[in-house]
Amino acid sequence: QQKVQQSPESLIVPEGGMASLNCTSSDRNVDYFWWYRQHSGKSPKMLMSIFSNGEKEEGRFTVHLNKASLHTSLHIRDSQPSDSALYLCAARMSNYNVLYFGSGTKLTVEP
Amino acid sequence: ETAVFQTPNYHVTQVGNEVSFNCKQTLGHDTMYWYKQDSKKLLKIMFSYNNKQLIVNETVPRRFSPQSSDKAHLNLRIKSVEPEDSAVYLCASSPGLQDTQYFGPGTRLLVL
Repeated sequence: QQKVQQSPESLIVPEGGMASLNCTSSDRNVDYFWWYRQHSGKSPKMLMSIFSNGEKEEGRFTVHLNKASLHTSLHIRDSQPSDSALYLCAARMSNYNVLYFGSGTKLTVEP
Repeated sequence: ETAVFQTPNYHVTQVGNEVSFNCKQTLGHDTMYWYKQDSKKLLKIMFSYNNKQLIVNETVPRRFSPQSSDKAHLNLRIKSVEPEDSAVYLCASSPGLQDTQYFGPGTRLLVL
């Protein structure tokens, strides 16, 4: 069973719209989450990380974390066609110092 | 330029052959990793090296072996490739075990 689940599998939003992506871990040893973005044919690039309950904002990107439910979400406001990519959530298990990745959400921003 | 570099970009080979992939990082990081990304884009950790010590080996078949000459280099050797080894192999590095990981461009392997 995968330790990190992401939803939705794919998402289409209009240019200028809000994209909301979800990620949950099934392992209570998780102590840190990362969000990576991978454009087609490219390598994953780190977007944001979070380990404290609450919210963190960087530009158009906001990430939330609820540690009790081991759920994190990424919100992209004013989405641009260049945001179209695969978004990967990664969770670190404190007892193993290993990152587990979800299978990603494919975001398409339509002009 | 400081980054994670991988060679080759793409490799096609026959079942049973041996292949080697190279990875070098110029970020001054202490930890390096190999991941496999399958056709469904799922990223799975294969190995990580911290100061030349193998730390994690996640149930990877024995035909895979990491090779490191120093903390800036981590190569991956596959003895006797099989069709299910076709994937993109991504190398990454991080300052320490618990830090953000930075990925290389990947090596796409196709086993015929």
